[in-house]
Amino acid sequence: GAGVSQTPSNKVTEKGKYVELRCDPISGHTALYWYRQSLGQGPEFLIYFQGTGAADDSGLPNDRFFAVRPEGSVSTLKIQRTERGDSAVYLCASSKQGSTDTQYFGPGTRLTVL
Amino acid sequence: EDKVVQSPLSLVVHEGDTVTLNCSYEVTNFRSLLWYKQEKKAPTFLFMLTSSGIEKKSGRLSSILDKKELSSILNITATQTGDSAIYLCAVISGTYKYIFGTGTRLKVLA
Repeated sequence: GAGVSQTPSNKVTEKGKYVELRCDPISGHTALYWYRQSLGQGPEFLIYFQGTGAADDSGLPNDRFFAVRPEGSVSTLKIQRTERGDSAVYLCASSKQGSTDTQYFGPGTRLTVL
Repeated sequence: EDKVVQSPLSLVVHEGDTVTLNCSYEVTNFRSLLWYKQEKKAPTFLFMLTSSGIEKKSGRLSSILDKKELSSILNITATQTGDSAIYLCAVISGTYKYIFGTGTRLKVLA
């Protein structure tokens, strides 16, 4: 595609529910990143995929968060038993091969946990 | 711990003014520094700086890196209301990890 796309653009859920956030990277980009951005803060690294594998998941806050990229393209960030503190904008970015290539960001998913 | 600090946190100017945004960093394995503009949700890429002292320019925006001072500045001349946004600085530490600052919120008044 022309750019990184993310769906849904907004998600409102209740505390305790499960949510899935989807990211479609730029075609041909092997590196994919997930970030979380809280109000007034910069994006905070969550996880980095190189191809199908998670090369670094050190930013995932706890075991309620999980991400997959089964075919090396689309990725899904999954959050179980959501908490109010999970409310944030979740940004996805992709780059050609990772390393020092420029990352291009999607429009994000605004998650609100009531 | 790696960190990126931006200043000021927010800035209000009038159209036509020139602004300078600052970014300083402390990272263990510096590779590059990047500037992004964030208007609604998606940060859009402005510049990537790897070498010290070489200015990068795009229209009214320019940026330069000072590796001795561990800092970078982003200049915007003849500001317009369309420049109103959050400007994010990020540093690549190691081979792929981006560390972002909290951003500078710029508001340009007509």
